[in-house]
Amino acid sequence: DSGVTQTPKHLITATGQRVTLRCSPRSGDLSVYWYQQSLDQGLQFLIQYYNGEERAKGNILERFSAQQFPDLHSELNLSSLELGDSALYFCASSGGGGGYNEQFFGPGTRLTVL
Amino acid sequence: GQQVMQIPQYQHVQEGEDFTTYCNSSTTLSNIQWYKQRPGGHPVFLIQLVKSGEVKKQKRLTFQFGEAKKNSSLHITATQTTDVGTYFCAGPGNGNTPLVFGKGTRLSVIA
Repeated sequence: DSGVTQTPKHLITATGQRVTLRCSPRSGDLSVYWYQQSLDQGLQFLIQYYNGEERAKGNILERFSAQQFPDLHSELNLSSLELGDSALYFCASSGGGGGYNEQFFGPGTRLTVL
Repeated sequence: GQQVMQIPQYQHVQEGEDFTTYCNSSTTLSNIQWYKQRPGGHPVFLIQLVKSGEVKKQKRLTFQFGEAKKNSSLHITATQTTDVGTYFCAGPGNGNTPLVFGKGTRLSVIA
C-alpha cells in the first residue's frame, strides 16, 4: 500500500459526459501528479500540483483540468469525453516537487468511455 | 522534448533465465529512477541512481547508471514468476515535465 488513495476504482460513462477523479496523497506529501496510461502505452504525464499551485503541465488536453485543494487532495476533471479517453488514470505523490523525488502511485482509476 | 527510450518492449524468458532491460536518453540525466508495475497494479518505485557509473543491487536485481549518465540498465538474475511485470525507467524532464517515463519493458516468465 503506497498510502495514495484514488476513487473511484472503475468508472464507466458515455461519450460527451464529464467525470471527476479524486486523489488523496500520502500524508505529508505536497506534490500530486496525474498520469494517463493507455493500453500498451507508457505513463503520459498530465499535470502536477505542488502545495495547491500548478507546478508543471504535460500533454493535458484542454478538455481536462485539475486542482489541488487546501487539504492537498486533488481532483482531475475530464469533460466532453471521447472514446479515446478510455485509459487508466494514476495519481502519484511525492514530498518535493522536482525530478529527484520518488513518486508513490495510487491504485488508479480505470475509465471506460462507451 | 526530453525522451527516454527503453528496449526491449517485451521479453519472454524461461524461469531461471536472466533478463536485462535498457534505458537510453539523448541528454545527460541528473538521476534515473526505476519502477515496476505488476499486471493489474500500479507503478512501484524500485530505486534511484544518481552518480556516474553507479551500480546498485537489490537481491537478484542489479541496476547500473552509465558513465555518461545517458543510459541505464536493470538486470535480473535467475528470473522467478514473481518478477513478472512491466519495468519502467524514468528521468527528470526538461521544462514542463518533472519525470519522463520510458514506455517500459514487459517481462513474462514462463514456469
